[in-house]
Amino acid sequence: DTEVTQTPKHLVMGMTNKKSLKCEQHMGHRAMYWYKQKAKKPPELMFVYSYEKLSINESVPSRFSPECPNSSLLNLHLHALQPEDSALYLCASSQVGLKNIQYFGAGTRLSVL
Amino acid sequence: DAKTTQPPSMDCAEGRAANLPCNHSTISGNEYVYWYRQIHSQGPQYIIHGLKNNETNEMASLIITEDRKSSTLILPHATLRDTAVYYCIVRARSGGGADGLTFGKGTHLIIQP
Repeated sequence: DTEVTQTPKHLVMGMTNKKSLKCEQHMGHRAMYWYKQKAKKPPELMFVYSYEKLSINESVPSRFSPECPNSSLLNLHLHALQPEDSALYLCASSQVGLKNIQYFGAGTRLSVL
Repeated sequence: DAKTTQPPSMDCAEGRAANLPCNHSTISGNEYVYWYRQIHSQGPQYIIHGLKNNETNEMASLIITEDRKSSTLILPHATLRDTAVYYCIVRARSGGGADGLTFGKGTHLIIQP
């Protein structure tokens, strides 16, 4: 099973809402990632978790708050977003170490009104 | 990570071999060449990677020049489902941690019926 599952597939939220994106994998991977992809642009790294600890934060605004409650789950908590935060949010997972091949979910398409 | 250069778009006839070039003239000795693709509305998918020897798997072949300054991804018998954006990424293999991927603009490959 090489599947990374992201929910929801689509999300519409207002600028005052609080919502969460979820990501789940059962491949035994101990590294998990969040990427943001704007329309017609390549994905951009946001966060990296390694062994459930945040190891990389690419200077992401605090209105995005990641959480890794266990080795299979990754959340992205959203609060007070702006319309320019509308994008496809991609989750990925991989082994930690030499064989760092990343497996991606299908993404959550977020619209901020 | 070394910078890569890819043509923005390419066409290929269905059933023919698709050859996608990538220039990485500043690659260093410990950096690998990875290829991912992203089919419309899906997450990126790992295809293949290599260091200096040519590699082949069930999806594609990777040809790396002897000086390692460029490479070619070959899809031997392209189908309509191979229409996607193909990303060439050069990066060092992780030692003991997890690193995110830095995506360039990629090549939009269009398979024509």
